[in-house]
Amino acid sequence: AQRVTQPEKLLSVFKGAPVELKCNYSYSGSPELFWYVQYSRQRLQLLLRHISRESIKGFTADLNKGETSFHLKKPFAQEEDSAMYYCALKTSGSRLTFGEGTQLTVNP
Amino acid sequence: NAGVTQTPKFQVLKTGQSMTLQCAQDMNHNSMYWYRQDPGMGLRLIYYSASEGTTDKGEVPNGYNVSRLNKREFSLRLESAAPSQTSVYFCASSYRGLMNTEAFFGQGTRLTVV
Repeated sequence: AQRVTQPEKLLSVFKGAPVELKCNYSYSGSPELFWYVQYSRQRLQLLLRHISRESIKGFTADLNKGETSFHLKKPFAQEEDSAMYYCALKTSGSRLTFGEGTQLTVNP
Repeated sequence: NAGVTQTPKFQVLKTGQSMTLQCAQDMNHNSMYWYRQDPGMGLRLIYYSASEGTTDKGEVPNGYNVSRLNKREFSLRLESAAPSQTSVYFCASSYRGLMNTEAFFGQGTRLTVV
């Protein structure tokens, strides 16, 4: 069965500090992995996907199949990064499973 | 372009009452999903429909039923609401057939069962 785990429910950093949000997954097939973000009073929206190997708003995430991880990183956090972040796994058959979420707070 | 539209936005039910949450998308997506969001538990999949004509249980299907009415619409029904079903419900849709396509979400329905 597929599963996504985000071990930190809350994460607080100061502006300008590096931030890493952890995500681990379990799935026997080839995973499609995503990070979604929910800003206050807004809809959940896609932040980035592993296949693109892109940097969005300064965030990057690398898929490590050996460690079954897909951690989200940003070298210098900004106050506007404060939000709820969800890691998600999409499997064959279109099932889309989310982790428990990490509430990131960036303090001034 | 409306995207994913959920109705209603807010609802208060008494224990034992029934209701249907509506969801419609106008992006010609074939996959649709229902989630509930609870503090500390993240987004949990209730049911999903990979394509028109199919529905499958997710992680927490008990107490819910779904109907994929057509390609655009996917409704969630609570037959006999319980206080444990107090939550924020999200509908989402995505395109099946291409790798790594993103899911688009509705604005959510805040349901309180008293």
